[in-house]
Amino acid sequence: GAVVSQHPSRVICKSGTSVKIECRSLDFQATTMFWYRQFPKQSLMLMATSNEGSKATYEQGVEKDKFLINHASLTLSTLTVTSAHPEDSSFYICSARVGTFDTGELFFGEGSRLTVL
Amino acid sequence: AQSVAQPEDQVNVAEGNPLTVKCTYSVSGNPYLFWYVQYPNRGLQFLLKYITGDNLVKGSYGFEAEFNKSQTSFHLKKPSALVSDSALYFCAVREPPGYSSASKIIFGSGTRLSIRP
Repeated sequence: GAVVSQHPSRVICKSGTSVKIECRSLDFQATTMFWYRQFPKQSLMLMATSNEGSKATYEQGVEKDKFLINHASLTLSTLTVTSAHPEDSSFYICSARVGTFDTGELFFGEGSRLTVL
Repeated sequence: AQSVAQPEDQVNVAEGNPLTVKCTYSVSGNPYLFWYVQYPNRGLQFLLKYITGDNLVKGSYGFEAEFNKSQTSFHLKKPSALVSDSALYFCAVREPPGYSSASKIIFGSGTRLSIRP
């Protein structure tokens, strides 16, 4: 299957700082990427849909100014958690669909665990 | 809007016995249905999907799932469980193309599968 790389896998930061998480499709072009957040022992919550060359579409209740998403190329989307606070600590997972043809399934990165002190 | 339910938080099975992880869905039109598996601190791995065709879908690692339209179910099954199958399993659904939310995949709450030796 297609490979999605996510970096960093773990990050610890101080409250008030910003953290950037990268999501790359290694062997395919991804016009659409999705960012999910997962709390301990809970399901994945879709945060936003990232479209190459246009603004991201955020789900209800997700602060767009807090979670900045940039999809500048067909292989890279970034999520920046701005002015992070302890309640932003979570497991963030990106995913991508192969190309523009809708094959159905998503391919996921390995996730990034953010801890805000 | 589409939704998916996994009624069991945990399923315990002895190694060698058959296993079933339940999933029911609600969606407009004919659904796209998926199963994913997640190991600790990792991203999600795609197991199988149903788009159209045979109701019994075979996937990775010997897993299969049966689409039942009348019961709106898509239960995951395996004839003989392995200890290595122990993980968190997610059922997911999306609406087919043509619906406003068709690009999004929505996940169930997850079922933790525990296989005892």
